[in-house]
Amino acid sequence: QVQLVESGGGLVKPGGSLRLSCGASGFSFSDYYMSWIRQTPGKGLEWVSYISSSGSVIYYADSVKGRFTISRDNAKNSLYLQMNSLRAEDTALYYCAKCSSGSCLNYFNYWGQGALVSVSS
Amino acid sequence: QSALTQPASVSGSPGQSITISCTGASSDVGTYNFVSWYQQLPGKAPQLLIFEVSKRPSRVSNRFSGSKSGNTASLTISGLQAEDEADYYCCSYAGSNTWMFGGGTKLTVL
Repeated sequence: QVQLVESGGGLVKPGGSLRLSCGASGFSFSDYYMSWIRQTPGKGLEWVSYISSSGSVIYYADSVKGRFTISRDNAKNSLYLQMNSLRAEDTALYYCAKCSSGSCLNYFNYWGQGALVSVSS
Repeated sequence: QSALTQPASVSGSPGQSITISCTGASSDVGTYNFVSWYQQLPGKAPQLLIFEVSKRPSRVSNRFSGSKSGNTASLTISGLQAEDEADYYCCSYAGSNTWMFGGGTKLTVL
């Protein structure tokens, strides 16, 4: 069955960096678009970024553009999110999510359990 | 861009039907039929319930249904069961390769 396992979360000071990883199994990772979505108690769910199956197409939410970088390694069945210049408002549970084949338009049909990122001095 | 608007909470008794609304704008819900709904059980990750406004994954009960009228999408749960108690989120494609989520609705089964 599809499994997505995030790792790399933790406590970081404002201005610091963190790299999240998401290991995928149970499906042909290289065939699917992938996305990062975050959840905060106050603001609910927020889409962060997505990457095409080959990695050639990438988009970001305005709130993270220029600070976060999404990438993937299809040989390792892994998705990454490099987060720089972190702010208090980036504090959230970060989920990696599998999109439908060929696009994220239709849905995010599988989600991992999340990696907690806390930004505080 | 503001999040899609959902009621903070709804409640119903077992066996009843409830509807959760999700109001967006002409630039998202009103234009695109890429509205999806997610159920989040306590302490768990969100799970896909409805996609493309009204389609259900095969594993999802037919008690869950979706619809859309203008800038508002709706999720209806019929034959309410105790196990349906959860948070529900709507999501819409918003153009320019961006997505918006609703603020979430807490469903209480009385």
